[in-house]
Amino acid sequence: DIQMTQSPSSVSASVGDRVTIACRASQGISNWLAWFQQKPGKAPKLLIYSASSLVYGVPSRFSGSGSGTDFTLTISSLQPEDFATYYCQQANSFPITFGQGTRLEI
Amino acid sequence: EVQLVESGGGLVQPGGSLRLSCSTSGFIFSDHHIDWVRQAPGKGLEWVGRIKNKVNSYTTDYAASVKGRFTISRDDSKASVLLQMTYLRTEDTAVYYCTRLDTYGNWFDFWGQGTLVTVSS
Repeated sequence: DIQMTQSPSSVSASVGDRVTIACRASQGISNWLAWFQQKPGKAPKLLIYSASSLVYGVPSRFSGSGSGTDFTLTISSLQPEDFATYYCQQANSFPITFGQGTRLEI
Repeated sequence: EVQLVESGGGLVQPGGSLRLSCSTSGFIFSDHHIDWVRQAPGKGLEWVGRIKNKVNSYTTDYAASVKGRFTISRDDSKASVLLQMTYLRTEDTAVYYCTRLDTYGNWFDFWGQGTLVTVSS
């Protein structure tokens, strides 16, 4: 199985800050990576697919990069509604696996 | 509007069975693969399994943790998917989400609201 490791596990930030979350795959997955945002009591929401493609309607302050084993999600200027937990997910092979999550808090 | 709605969750004893349903609307159901993903209380996301579309022969795949105990099926005429869970364990306690794969079958683009399954004596 491909292990997905996110760092940090949690991060404190303020409105307007730039935040970067890292995700590392235990083996190469090309660009078969997605990022999700999840708020308490809600289902995950797809933000980015194919490592760097922004889902239609997602604000442009979100961006993704990387290929192979190392990926990043960047939020360029945090807004109040961005405080949530973020997960990476590999779609390269079964079983589908997720990172453990990064909690973004004030 | 694309919608997925899970139902059937509840309290069940260890060793018991439960069947979850995912009812969908707002898209051509038969074109899409459907997955189940679960989330234990306070924990991260865990993929459970997939059922592919008719073009892909309704092929199923499962996580090792549920293989042999869980079965996914679909009824394209009702635009719905079932998750039959047997020999339930306490570690199966989680919110279960059904999620649609996009047109290319790669990305989880729409999710249901989830249904809670609690396995406890």
